[in-house]
Amino acid sequence: DQQVKQNSPSLSVQEGRISILNCDYTNSMFDYFLWYKKYPAEGPTFLISISSIKDKNEDGRFTVFLNKSAKHLSLHIVPSQPGDSAVYFCAAIRNDYKLSFGAGTTVTVRA
Amino acid sequence: DTGVSQDPRHKITKRGQNVTFRCDPISEHNRLYWYRQTLGQGPEFLTYFQNEAQLEKSRLLSDRFSAERPKGSFSTLEIQRTEQGDSAMYLCASSLRGFNSPLHFGNGTRLTVT
Repeated sequence: DQQVKQNSPSLSVQEGRISILNCDYTNSMFDYFLWYKKYPAEGPTFLISISSIKDKNEDGRFTVFLNKSAKHLSLHIVPSQPGDSAVYFCAAIRNDYKLSFGAGTTVTVRA
Repeated sequence: DTGVSQDPRHKITKRGQNVTFRCDPISEHNRLYWYRQTLGQGPEFLTYFQNEAQLEKSRLLSDRFSAERPKGSFSTLEIQRTEQGDSAMYLCASSLRGFNSPLHFGNGTRLTVT
């Protein structure tokens, strides 16, 4: 069963604009959420995370927002750059180790 | 930090053959994970080691799959009697203990079963 869902398979954004990626989850037992970025022929790399006790975490151009009541999180990238073109995976963790991933959103940043 | 290393990068095999993949984690990481990724999907959890102990196996890991981590260092994932449905990217990751220690992934082994 898909406990983490990314309903938008792709996103196209102009360079310099904001990219907003969305993620929904169904399991209220998740206690930590992460975003990973993946380039072709490489493994996913960790981008940013947020604990379930917070509602926002910011790291440079990347901000993750968590809405626990809606079981929804989002990743904002401002400003978007060509190097941000990649597949972004939302992930959630429970039991201290088990990471569940969404299907990914492919972001294309247009010059 | 040399990163997580996986070997081979690509493997093509015929149905029914056995294959073995190797993963070398980041040296100080005591946790090691295997994930599988198919086209258009996110990585799916297969199994997890804390040091040399295999603590959980997914339902996805049929009895044709076996994973080991002798001495808590490198790990191997073996698939016996491969089937076409086993074709996927097999990803290894490692981490320190603690839920806020992110997983570091290798570049994966792409398996194609013909």
